Amino acid sequence: DAMVIQNPRYQVTQFGKPVTLSCSQTLNHNVMYWYQQKSSQAPKLLFHYYDKDFNNEADTPDNFQSRRPNTSFCFLDIRSPGLGDAAMYLCATSRDKAAGANEQFFGPGTRLTVL
Amino acid sequence: AQKVTQAQTEISVVEKEDVTLDCVYETRDTTYYLFWYKQPPSGELVFLIRRNSFDEQNEISGRYSWNFQKSTSSFNFTITASQVVDSAVYFCALRGGATNKLIFGTGTLLAVQP
Repeated sequence: DAMVIQNPRYQVTQFGKPVTLSCSQTLNHNVMYWYQQKSSQAPKLLFHYYDKDFNNEADTPDNFQSRRPNTSFCFLDIRSPGLGDAAMYLCATSRDKAAGANEQFFGPGTRLTVL
Repeated sequence: AQKVTQAQTEISVVEKEDVTLDCVYETRDTTYYLFWYKQPPSGELVFLIRRNSFDEQNEISGRYSWNFQKSTSSFNFTITASQVVDSAVYFCALRGGATNKLIFGTGTLLAVQP
């Protein structure tokens, strides 16, 4: 089945130790998104790629970076995780930005714990 | 500014009851899109429906139905004959016509008791 895959599902890191979260998709969608969702809160968009074009949200901390080496993969790098970065990280895709193709399909998420 | 309000933080019903989840939105865009997502305990956000601002026709899909009313800026979601498997957090979301950004409400936790 076509889907959005996130690995690992659970990630534990130490304060200040860089960590990378992975997302892949078999949907061949042009757009990939990264969201942060803290406990009992709504998902918050960090950034998205439209093909190779990177779009950062204005309030996304510099500590968060992203890479999209090809259509299928997108990575979230947290350079120096703090305790406040503990959250669920959700990857999503949409076929395009156009009106008829903008439903976002989400992966299962990676729950990040920072010790 | 764009905003989505889900005033109901938690709802608890007994199986087979009908339940309506409220969603009120704010936007200055004339073209916009509204969505509902379900987030079960596993964490994955499951897409349920998209509605654009020009289509006020209500929709029914099995036990799910949606009532979109531009006059009151509401996009409410009703589950008929609820089941335990419906237990989840439900998010309403808004996307403006000129942006790719989804604005989520704070979610409603629905607990369906057997």
